[in-house]
Amino acid sequence: KAGVTQTPRYLIKTRGQQVTLSCSPISGHRSVSWYQQTPGQGLQFLFEYFSETQRNKGNFPGRFSGRQFSNSRSEMNVSTLELGDSALYLCASSLTGYSNQPQHFGDGTRLSIL
Amino acid sequence: GQQLNQSPQSMFIQEGEDVSMNCTSSSIFNTWLWYKQDPGEGPVLLIALYKAGELTSNGRLTAQFGITRKDSFLNISASIPSDVGIYFCAGQAAGQNFVFGPGTRLSVLP
Repeated sequence: KAGVTQTPRYLIKTRGQQVTLSCSPISGHRSVSWYQQTPGQGLQFLFEYFSETQRNKGNFPGRFSGRQFSNSRSEMNVSTLELGDSALYLCASSLTGYSNQPQHFGDGTRLSIL
Repeated sequence: GQQLNQSPQSMFIQEGEDVSMNCTSSSIFNTWLWYKQDPGEGPVLLIALYKAGELTSNGRLTAQFGITRKDSFLNISASIPSDVGIYFCAGQAAGQNFVFGPGTRLSVLP
């Protein structure tokens, strides 16, 4: 059974640019969550999508947005990139995102801002 | 907001030793998860706990859902070099998203 797939694995951008990251969940999983991981802040929740709708959102500025497609694949977009956006962006999927269901992570996209 | 504390922050042990780490919260959770993350990879799920008092094993790993529902423990027996990594706990309250601890960094000395 294929796991969570994130593309690309690595990305280098400059300040002011925008970026789109992709996540394909485990087959059958309909909930996709995005996290930002940095050495100083740990794993911070960005948002969660279920059935093409954003169901929950963390405390990140509006420059961070996402969407989910009918096949449950999800994309995350960051506009007007800042140096502080350099991080590992992780995607996790679960069946429905409710309690009693574990999340499974992809290997992440490492974003570096120059 | 909800926060999780993990202890210890880091630990150095000899190969063959047993390891204990824990995670505490100020809030009650319905689900506790334990993950291990290796450099350059995403967290891998080790154990999932869904009931207060539940004790679950996965090979040399054993985790427990605390009775108060505000803590969880992970034990690793007879550590080996490949146990090196960062161990994260995650808790989920009803209707809420998962909250992650800051991690425990484990180093195993040969």
